[in-house]
Amino acid sequence: EDQVTQSPEALRLQEGESSSLNCSYTVSGLRGLFWYRQDPGKGPEFLFTLYSAGEEKEKERLKAKLTKKESFLHITAPKPEDSATYLCAARNSGGYQKVTFGTGTKLQVIP
Amino acid sequence: DSGVTQTPKHLITATGQRVTLRCSPRSGDLSVYWYQQSLDQGLQFLIQYYNGEERAKGNILERFSAQQFPDLHSELNLSSLELGDSALYFCASSPPQGPYEQYFGPGTRLTVT
Repeated sequence: EDQVTQSPEALRLQEGESSSLNCSYTVSGLRGLFWYRQDPGKGPEFLFTLYSAGEEKEKERLKAKLTKKESFLHITAPKPEDSATYLCAARNSGGYQKVTFGTGTKLQVIP
Repeated sequence: DSGVTQTPKHLITATGQRVTLRCSPRSGDLSVYWYQQSLDQGLQFLIQYYNGEERAKGNILERFSAQQFPDLHSELNLSSLELGDSALYFCASSPPQGPYEQYFGPGTRLTVT
């Protein structure tokens, strides 16, 4: 069965304190690893798609990287507005290419 | 704004009642997904439709049903509602070509009293 595990569950950072969020996945033939940001009471917002090991993508203070078993979302010099829950999801190569979501990392950035 | 619309935004109803949630996907997207998110919980996949046909089922209760219409909008029907059905219900759509990333709507907050 496909599994996506995110750690830590919660992370509290001082403004400007860089850190990384982790997403470990076990899926049958990865066809895409996705990162989303979710604000409280809102729908998840798509951030990145990563396809293959070694691939990296950046958006403002966020940088995502994919390895064969994990993905990392590095946040450089975070600001309070980066506070949100970050979700990771993996798509497999099965018949309908099922997507499995992790439970997320809740990030709080303190001024 | 993702381009996915959901109505209503909020719904308050009593136990035992039936409600219908509506979703319109982004222009050009053929797939629609429904998710349930209870307070401080992760996203629970309910069901997926592709171009009018059911593609996959997740943890969807028998009291819940869905359909996708020819104009590609989708409806999620929840019946015999229980207090535990109170949650945010999200709809997402994805493009017809890979990598099939999902774009989420703003959600419908259902409160069962």
